[in-house]
Amino acid sequence: AQSVTQLGSHVSVSEGALVLLRCNYSSSVPPYLFWYVQYPNQGLQLLLKYTSAATLVKGINGFEAEFKKSETSFHLTKPSAHMSDAAEYFCAVTSSGNTPLVFGKGTRLSVIA
Amino acid sequence: GAGVSQSPSNKVTEKGKDVELRCDPISGHTALYWYRQRLGQGLEFLIYFQGNSAPDKSGLPSDRFSAERTGESVSTLTIQRTQQEDSAVYLCASSFHAGTNADTQYFGPGTRLTVL
Repeated sequence: AQSVTQLGSHVSVSEGALVLLRCNYSSSVPPYLFWYVQYPNQGLQLLLKYTSAATLVKGINGFEAEFKKSETSFHLTKPSAHMSDAAEYFCAVTSSGNTPLVFGKGTRLSVIA
Repeated sequence: GAGVSQSPSNKVTEKGKDVELRCDPISGHTALYWYRQRLGQGLEFLIYFQGNSAPDKSGLPSDRFSAERTGESVSTLTIQRTQQEDSAVYLCASSFHAGTNADTQYFGPGTRLTVL
């Protein structure tokens, strides 16, 4: 079985500061990993995904994530937070190309002016 | 192009009533997923359709839940005899199975169901 743990249900950063959202996964097979963002009253939008190519994955809006197999982690970072980054962020894992995703419980990011 | 659409956007119903939620996937997408998002929780997988294969119903929480899909088109999620614990946002996603790597699932805006 697969699982995802997102450390911190709520993270608050100042505008311009580094954003770090943590995600650890558990999987008995090589995983595919995703980060999605959900703005209020909207569906989920893909930020980036890891599919066993480069371990450092760059996504939209300046976000990136690094796959670390030894740490079973896929943390999401952005060098400088913007007010528009305030949203809920979900990490997800799956075992193969076309199967349901297993999601973490999400981390709410607040950006303080 | 058009994304995944869902209707209604909001549904308020009384305990014990049946509800139907609709999902229109992106045209050409062979896979369709239903997830449930309860307040303060992540998304829970409910059911998955892939082409003409038998659906994966392993995530359905009870036999009050069922879903159908017409070909590679519209899907309907039905909840019979609704209970208050069914209150949640129901999200639909679709993807195109290219056969390699992980396909991106594109999500609709969801249907917010409130059971009184």
